[in-house]
Amino acid sequence: QVQLEESGPGLVKPSETLSLSCAVSGHSISSAYYWGWIRQPPGKGLEWIGSIYQSGTAHYNPSLKSRVTISVDTSENQFSLKLSSVTAADTAVYYCARHKSPYYGSPAIDYWGQGTLVTVSS
Amino acid sequence: EIVMTQSPATLSVSPGERATLSCRASQTVSSNLAWYQQKPGQAPRLLIYGAITRATDIPARFSGSGSGTEFTLTISSLQSEDFAVYYCQQYHNWPSWTFGQGTKVEIK
Repeated sequence: QVQLEESGPGLVKPSETLSLSCAVSGHSISSAYYWGWIRQPPGKGLEWIGSIYQSGTAHYNPSLKSRVTISVDTSENQFSLKLSSVTAADTAVYYCARHKSPYYGSPAIDYWGQGTLVTVSS
Repeated sequence: EIVMTQSPATLSVSPGERATLSCRASQTVSSNLAWYQQKPGQAPRLLIYGAITRATDIPARFSGSGSGTEFTLTISSLQSEDFAVYYCQQYHNWPSWTFGQGTKVEIK
């Protein structure tokens, strides 16, 4: 059974960098899947942030691309998110997730972490 | 960016009744559409992918239809555990995936 678990600070100051990690268990991160991040502001809808493949090739939502970095650590079976220059608008529950390759098959998001709330406030 | 518009925002349905949720794309997404269910305090759960294919372990009362720009999620006979928020998502335009704003299915 694939399990994903987010970890990281729950409070980040404005203008600083938000950093989260996602530990994957029950599945090798080096398999033919993509690993991504999605966020959800309190009481609002879902926003896809970006995804990464085991090779380290990452793809980002164009609206966040200038501030986002996603990286993968195959030795630790985990991947990470960094979002720079945060503001209150970045306050959200952040989910890590898995999906198939968007280049063939159906890349719907089939496994999600439980989510972690990150609040941006001084 | 492809904008996904869901309607209605809230759907009030009695248990045992049929629920029909709509999702419209601002441009064609072919059949590259998924539906997710989210309950309070939980992560979304994949229900439907490829517009019509049920995900693993999803009951047969959930069905998806449509292609191009118009999509429907139907729950044939609502059970108590089906009251939740439902989101559609297009994965046609990589890497600019977008979600609808959600439809809340509540008890009438």
